[in-house]
Amino acid sequence: QVQLVESGGGVVQPGRSLRLSCAASGFTFSNYGMHWVRQAPGKGPEWVAVISSDGGNKYYADPVKGRFTISRDNSKNTLYLQMNSLRAEDTAVYYCSKYGDGSGYPGYWGQGILVTVSS
Amino acid sequence: DIQMTQSPSTLSASVGDRVTITCRASQDISTWLAWYQQKVGKAPKLLIYKASSLESGVPLRFSGSGSGTEFTLTISSLQPDDFATYYCQQYSTYPYTFGQGTKLEIK
Repeated sequence: QVQLVESGGGVVQPGRSLRLSCAASGFTFSNYGMHWVRQAPGKGPEWVAVISSDGGNKYYADPVKGRFTISRDNSKNTLYLQMNSLRAEDTAVYYCSKYGDGSGYPGYWGQGILVTVSS
Repeated sequence: DIQMTQSPSTLSASVGDRVTITCRASQDISTWLAWYQQKVGKAPKLLIYKASSLESGVPLRFSGSGSGTEFTLTISSLQPDDFATYYCQQYSTYPYTFGQGTKLEIK
Protein backbone atom coordinates (compact mmCIF):
# COMPACT_ATOMS: atom_id res chain seq x y z
CA GLN A 1 0.00 0.00 0.00
CA VAL A 2 1.00 3.62 -0.44
CA GLN A 3 3.31 4.96 2.25
CA LEU A 4 4.73 8.45 2.62
CA VAL A 5 7.01 9.05 5.58
CA GLU A 6 8.27 12.55 6.34
CA SER A 7 11.43 13.21 8.33
CA GLY A 8 13.83 16.04 9.14
CA GLY A 9 11.58 18.23 11.24
CA GLY A 10 12.37 19.75 14.61
CA VAL A 11 13.06 23.02 16.37
CA VAL A 12 15.14 25.60 14.49
CA GLN A 13 16.05 29.22 15.15
CA PRO A 14 14.70 32.01 12.93
CA GLY A 15 16.91 32.60 9.91
CA ARG A 16 18.29 29.07 9.88
CA SER A 17 17.69 26.25 7.42
CA LEU A 18 16.11 22.80 7.51
CA ARG A 19 15.61 20.07 4.92
CA LEU A 20 12.57 17.82 5.02
CA SER A 21 12.50 14.45 3.31
CA CYS A 22 9.57 12.27 2.30
CA ALA A 23 10.26 8.60 1.61
CA ALA A 24 7.72 7.05 -0.73
CA SER A 25 6.79 3.42 -1.23
CA GLY A 26 3.94 1.29 -2.49
CA PHE A 27 3.58 3.08 -5.84
CA THR A 28 5.71 4.05 -8.83
CA PHE A 29 7.13 7.29 -7.45
CA SER A 30 8.54 8.49 -10.77
CA ASN A 31 5.05 8.51 -12.30
CA TYR A 32 3.51 11.00 -9.89
CA GLY A 33 3.80 14.66 -9.15
CA MET A 34 4.19 15.48 -5.46
CA HIS A 35 3.07 18.27 -3.14
CA TRP A 36 4.13 19.77 0.16
CA VAL A 37 1.26 21.14 2.25
CA ARG A 38 1.60 22.64 5.72
CA GLN A 39 -0.76 23.29 8.60
CA ALA A 40 0.00 25.80 11.33
CA PRO A 41 -1.28 24.95 14.83
CA GLY A 42 -5.04 25.39 14.98
CA LYS A 43 -5.29 26.49 11.33
CA GLY A 44 -6.38 24.93 8.06
CA PRO A 45 -4.04 23.40 5.50
CA GLU A 46 -1.91 25.69 3.32
CA TRP A 47 -0.49 24.47 0.04
CA VAL A 48 3.29 25.09 -0.16
CA ALA A 49 4.79 23.67 -3.35
CA VAL A 50 4.43 21.10 -6.12
CA ILE A 51 6.86 19.27 -8.37
CA SER A 52 6.11 17.31 -11.54
CA SER A 53 6.90 13.62 -11.89
CA ASP A 54 10.21 14.27 -13.66
CA GLY A 55 11.13 17.29 -11.53
CA GLY A 56 11.01 19.64 -14.49
CA ASN A 57 8.15 21.82 -13.28
CA LYS A 58 7.85 23.40 -9.85
CA TYR A 59 5.45 25.93 -8.36
CA TYR A 60 5.48 27.65 -4.98
CA ALA A 61 3.14 29.58 -2.73
CA ASP A 62 4.05 33.25 -2.43
CA PRO A 63 4.95 33.11 1.30
CA VAL A 64 7.75 30.61 0.59
CA LYS A 65 8.87 31.64 -2.88
CA GLY A 66 12.60 32.36 -2.94
CA ARG A 67 13.16 30.68 0.45
CA PHE A 68 11.95 27.09 -0.06
CA THR A 69 13.01 24.66 -2.80
CA ILE A 70 11.17 21.47 -3.67
CA SER A 71 13.12 18.66 -5.33
CA ARG A 72 13.02 14.91 -5.81
CA ASP A 73 15.30 11.96 -6.41
CA ASN A 74 13.39 9.36 -8.37
CA SER A 75 16.23 6.84 -7.94
CA LYS A 76 15.71 7.02 -4.18
CA ASN A 77 11.90 7.43 -4.20
CA THR A 78 12.34 10.54 -2.09
CA LEU A 79 10.87 14.04 -2.11
CA TYR A 80 12.62 16.97 -0.45
CA LEU A 81 11.82 20.44 0.82
CA GLN A 82 14.79 22.69 1.48
CA MET A 83 13.68 25.51 3.77
CA ASN A 84 15.98 28.53 4.16
CA SER A 85 15.62 31.81 6.05
CA LEU A 86 12.98 30.27 8.29
CA ARG A 87 10.51 32.51 10.07
CA ALA A 88 8.24 32.02 13.06
CA GLU A 89 5.26 31.92 10.69
CA ASP A 90 6.72 28.81 9.01
CA THR A 91 5.94 26.84 12.18
CA ALA A 92 3.60 24.06 11.10
CA VAL A 93 3.11 20.39 10.47
CA TYR A 94 4.44 19.70 6.98
CA TYR A 95 2.82 16.97 4.90
CA CYS A 96 3.99 15.45 1.66
CA SER A 97 1.30 14.22 -0.68
CA LYS A 98 1.18 12.37 -3.98
CA TYR A 99 -0.97 13.40 -6.91
CA GLY A 100 -4.32 11.73 -6.94
CA ASP A 101 -4.95 9.17 -9.65
CA GLY A 102 -7.52 11.45 -11.22
CA SER A 103 -5.40 14.59 -11.59
CA GLY A 104 -3.03 16.96 -9.79
CA TYR A 105 -4.86 17.33 -6.49
CA PRO A 106 -3.12 16.11 -3.30
CA GLY A 107 -4.40 12.55 -3.05
CA TYR A 108 -2.71 10.44 -0.41
CA TRP A 109 -0.95 12.32 2.43
CA GLY A 110 1.86 11.33 4.76
CA GLN A 111 1.45 11.54 8.53
CA GLY A 112 3.24 14.89 8.69
CA ILE A 113 6.29 16.27 10.49
CA LEU A 114 6.39 19.21 12.86
CA VAL A 115 8.68 22.16 12.19
CA THR A 116 8.96 24.74 14.95
CA VAL A 117 10.79 27.99 14.29
CA SER A 118 11.66 29.61 17.58
CA SER A 119 14.56 31.28 19.34
CA ASP B 1 -5.18 33.92 -5.74
CA ILE B 2 -8.52 32.11 -5.74
CA GLN B 3 -10.33 32.47 -2.43
CA MET B 4 -12.35 29.53 -1.13
CA THR B 5 -15.12 30.22 1.37
CA GLN B 6 -16.86 27.45 3.28
CA SER B 7 -20.11 27.63 5.19
CA PRO B 8 -21.00 27.04 7.86
CA SER B 9 -17.81 27.20 9.95
CA THR B 10 -19.37 24.90 12.54
CA LEU B 11 -22.22 22.48 12.12
CA SER B 12 -23.96 20.61 14.94
CA ALA B 13 -25.81 17.48 13.90
CA SER B 14 -26.93 14.08 15.14
CA VAL B 15 -26.19 10.56 14.00
CA GLY B 16 -28.46 9.77 11.09
CA ASP B 17 -28.86 13.38 9.96
CA ARG B 18 -28.31 14.51 6.39
CA VAL B 19 -25.85 17.40 6.28
CA THR B 20 -24.59 19.70 3.57
CA ILE B 21 -21.46 21.86 3.54
CA THR B 22 -21.04 24.61 0.96
CA CYS B 23 -17.84 25.86 -0.66
CA ARG B 24 -17.67 28.95 -2.88
CA ALA B 25 -14.78 29.94 -5.12
CA SER B 26 -13.93 33.56 -5.88
CA GLN B 27 -13.72 32.71 -9.59
CA ASP B 28 -14.72 29.91 -11.94
CA ILE B 29 -12.78 26.72 -11.19
CA SER B 30 -14.89 24.40 -13.39
CA THR B 31 -14.97 21.13 -11.40
CA TRP B 32 -11.39 21.25 -10.14
CA LEU B 33 -12.40 20.85 -6.52
CA ALA B 34 -11.52 18.31 -3.84
CA TRP B 35 -12.99 17.64 -0.40
CA TYR B 36 -10.99 16.36 2.57
CA GLN B 37 -11.86 15.05 6.02
CA GLN B 38 -9.47 15.69 8.89
CA LYS B 39 -9.56 14.29 12.40
CA VAL B 40 -7.57 15.75 15.26
CA GLY B 41 -3.89 14.90 15.04
CA LYS B 42 -4.26 13.16 11.68
CA ALA B 43 -3.50 14.06 8.09
CA PRO B 44 -6.34 15.15 5.82
CA LYS B 45 -7.99 12.31 3.96
CA LEU B 46 -9.29 12.74 0.41
CA LEU B 47 -13.02 12.12 0.04
CA ILE B 48 -14.05 13.65 -3.28
CA TYR B 49 -12.14 14.89 -6.33
CA LYS B 50 -13.27 16.63 -9.51
CA ALA B 51 -16.20 17.99 -7.50
CA SER B 52 -18.22 14.78 -7.54
CA SER B 53 -15.94 11.76 -7.97
CA LEU B 54 -15.79 9.56 -4.89
CA GLU B 55 -12.30 8.45 -3.87
CA SER B 56 -11.87 4.69 -3.69
CA GLY B 57 -12.80 3.28 -0.30
CA VAL B 58 -14.86 6.28 0.79
CA PRO B 59 -18.38 5.36 1.94
CA LEU B 60 -21.23 6.01 -0.47
CA ARG B 61 -22.98 8.28 2.04
CA PHE B 62 -20.50 11.00 0.97
CA SER B 63 -21.29 12.86 -2.24
CA GLY B 64 -20.18 16.06 -3.92
CA SER B 65 -21.75 18.33 -6.49
CA GLY B 66 -21.32 21.68 -8.19
CA SER B 67 -19.30 23.44 -10.82
CA GLY B 68 -18.04 26.91 -11.55
CA THR B 69 -18.04 28.73 -8.23
CA GLU B 70 -20.47 26.84 -5.99
CA PHE B 71 -20.00 23.36 -4.58
CA THR B 72 -21.51 21.15 -1.91
CA LEU B 73 -20.46 18.14 0.12
CA THR B 74 -23.35 16.05 1.41
CA ILE B 75 -23.31 13.27 3.98
CA SER B 76 -26.57 11.41 3.56
CA SER B 77 -26.76 9.78 7.01
CA LEU B 78 -24.20 10.84 9.58
CA GLN B 79 -22.24 8.11 11.30
CA PRO B 80 -20.24 8.52 14.53
CA ASP B 81 -16.98 8.31 12.56
CA ASP B 82 -17.96 11.35 10.44
CA PHE B 83 -17.56 13.94 13.18
CA ALA B 84 -14.45 15.78 12.00
CA THR B 85 -13.37 18.92 10.14
CA TYR B 86 -13.95 19.15 6.40
CA TYR B 87 -12.02 21.25 3.89
CA CYS B 88 -12.53 22.06 0.26
CA GLN B 89 -9.59 22.81 -2.02
CA GLN B 90 -9.37 24.17 -5.55
CA TYR B 91 -6.76 22.76 -7.90
CA SER B 92 -7.65 24.81 -10.94
CA THR B 93 -4.85 27.34 -10.58
CA TYR B 94 -1.65 27.67 -8.57
CA PRO B 95 -1.43 28.47 -5.76
CA TYR B 96 -3.88 25.77 -4.77
CA THR B 97 -6.08 27.13 -1.97
CA PHE B 98 -8.18 25.62 0.79
CA GLY B 99 -11.37 26.73 2.44
CA GLN B 100 -11.17 27.67 6.10
CA GLY B 101 -12.87 24.45 7.19
CA THR B 102 -16.19 23.25 8.58
CA LYS B 103 -16.15 21.54 11.96
CA LEU B 104 -18.88 18.95 12.21
CA GLU B 105 -19.88 18.46 15.85
CA ILE B 106 -22.19 16.09 17.65
CA LYS B 107 -25.43 17.77 18.72
